[in-house]
Amino acid sequence: LAKTTQPISMDSYEGQEVNITCSHNNIATNDYITWYQQFPSQGPRFIIQGYKTKVTNEVASLFIPADRKSSTLSLPRVSLSDTAVYYCLVGDNQAGTALIFGKGTTLSVSS
Amino acid sequence: GAVVSQHPSWVICKSGTSVKIECRSLDFQATTMFWYRQFPKQSLMLMATSNEGSKATYEQGVEKDKFLINHASLTLSTLTVTSAHPEDSSFYICSANSGRAAINYNEQFFGPGTRLTVL
Repeated sequence: LAKTTQPISMDSYEGQEVNITCSHNNIATNDYITWYQQFPSQGPRFIIQGYKTKVTNEVASLFIPADRKSSTLSLPRVSLSDTAVYYCLVGDNQAGTALIFGKGTTLSVSS
Repeated sequence: GAVVSQHPSWVICKSGTSVKIECRSLDFQATTMFWYRQFPKQSLMLMATSNEGSKATYEQGVEKDKFLINHASLTLSTLTVTSAHPEDSSFYICSANSGRAAINYNEQFFGPGTRLTVL
C-alpha cells in the first residue's frame, strides 16, 4: 500500500479556501486517491475520490497532477462546521478492500 | 442513502467483563464489514475484516481470542471484547461494504462508532 504524508494540522478562517496536500510518492498504477472527513466521536465520511486530473463535487475539488505523486483537496469557502480531521487514502478500488488510514490533517476553522 | 448503525453508542464496563458491539447495515446487504479502533488524537487502526459466513481476518497484533468477530448475516456483524481491561478503552468503528462495483469508489460506509470505557 502506498504511504501517504499530510500536514498534521492547518488553521483557517471562515470563508477562505483551504487546500490540503497529500504526498503519495509510491502510488501504484491501479491506485485511486480518496479523501475522508471525520468529526470528533463520529465515523469517517467519504468526501471525494479521483484517479487523475481534477474531480469536483458539491463538497470539494480534488487536484491530481500528471505524475499522481501528490494530490490536493480543495475546500471552497470553509465554515466552522468544516473543522474536522481529513484523511487522504491511496489504494485500489476493488470492492471489499480494507481502507488503511494515515495520520490525517486536523483542520481548524475560526470565525 | 446507505446507513450503518452501531449499538451501543457508548458503554462503560468493569474490568474482566465482556462487551458486545453490534454493527448493522440498515438498507443494504454488506458482504464485507471492517472493524477499526481509534484512540484519542490518533487515526483509525484496522483490526479485522469480516466476511459473511466465514471467519474474520485479523490484522497483525490483534488478538483474535480477545476480539471475537461474528458476521452471521449480510446485515449484522458483532465485535465482542472479552475480558476487557482499561487498555481496551477506545472508540470502536465499523464499516460495511456492499460488494457492488460503485461508480466512483470502493463503496464503504462507516458506523457512528462505539465509545468503550473499561473501569
